Amino acid sequence: SYVLTQPPSVSVAPGQTARITCGGNNIGSKSVHWYQQKPGQAPVLVVYDDSDRPSGIPERFSGSNSGNTATLTISRVEAGDEADYYCQVWDSSSDHRGVFGGGTKLTVL
Amino acid sequence: EVQLVESGGVVVQPGGSLRLSCAASGFTFDDYAMHWVRQAPGKGLEWVSLISWDGGSTYYADSVKGRFTISRDNSKNSLYLQMNSLRAEDTALYYCAKAGTYSQDAFDIWGQGTMVTVSS
Repeated sequence: SYVLTQPPSVSVAPGQTARITCGGNNIGSKSVHWYQQKPGQAPVLVVYDDSDRPSGIPERFSGSNSGNTATLTISRVEAGDEADYYCQVWDSSSDHRGVFGGGTKLTVL
Repeated sequence: EVQLVESGGVVVQPGGSLRLSCAASGFTFDDYAMHWVRQAPGKGLEWVSLISWDGGSTYYADSVKGRFTISRDNSKNSLYLQMNSLRAEDTALYYCAKAGTYSQDAFDIWGQGTMVTVSS
C-alpha cells in the first residue's frame, strides 16, 4: 500500500516561512492535497491538486510537488497558523483508497 | 451554508454494531461522491470508505473491509456507515467528508464528527 511520510513537527518564528514536506514513492505523479486541523476542530482543506487554494484560504499558503516530495509552504507565518497539517493522495494503483500522511504539528515560536 | 452533520456515535461493546448517519445541506448532494474518515484519540486521520454519487461504487480501507458498509439515500441527502463486528481499534471520531468540487480526490467539506467508543 502507498505510504506518505511527514515530519512529526516543524517550528517557525512568526513572520518566517514554514515548509512541511510529504514524502512518497513518485508522489510527483499524484495530486496532493493538504489539510489544516486545529485542536478540537475538523480538518480544513488548504491546498488541493498540489498547489491550488480553495476560496477563502490566504495566499500565504502554497504547495509544490515533484519527484518523491510534496511541500506545503506557509509564508509570513502567524500565531493562528499553529495546527496539525496532513497531506493526502488518492491511490488508484491497486484498489481505490485514500491515503493520509501521519501529520505534522506546526509550532509558532 | 454548506454543512455536514454526523450523528449516531455512542459507546458500544466489542463485537457490537452501530450505524452512523451524516446529513448534508447547502449543496446538491447527489452530484458528489462522499467519504468517511476517522481519527483515533490523539492520532492522525485515516480514510475509511468512499461511495460514488449514485451509490454504484464503494471502496473501503483494508482495516474495515468486510465489517463496514457505506451507503447513501440521495432522496434524504444522507450518508450512512453501518459498522459491524466492532473492535477496540475502531474507537475514533468519525467524520463524513464531501468529495471536492474542483478536485474529486480531495475532501473539501467536513462535518464536525461523531465519536464512536468500543469498550466493554
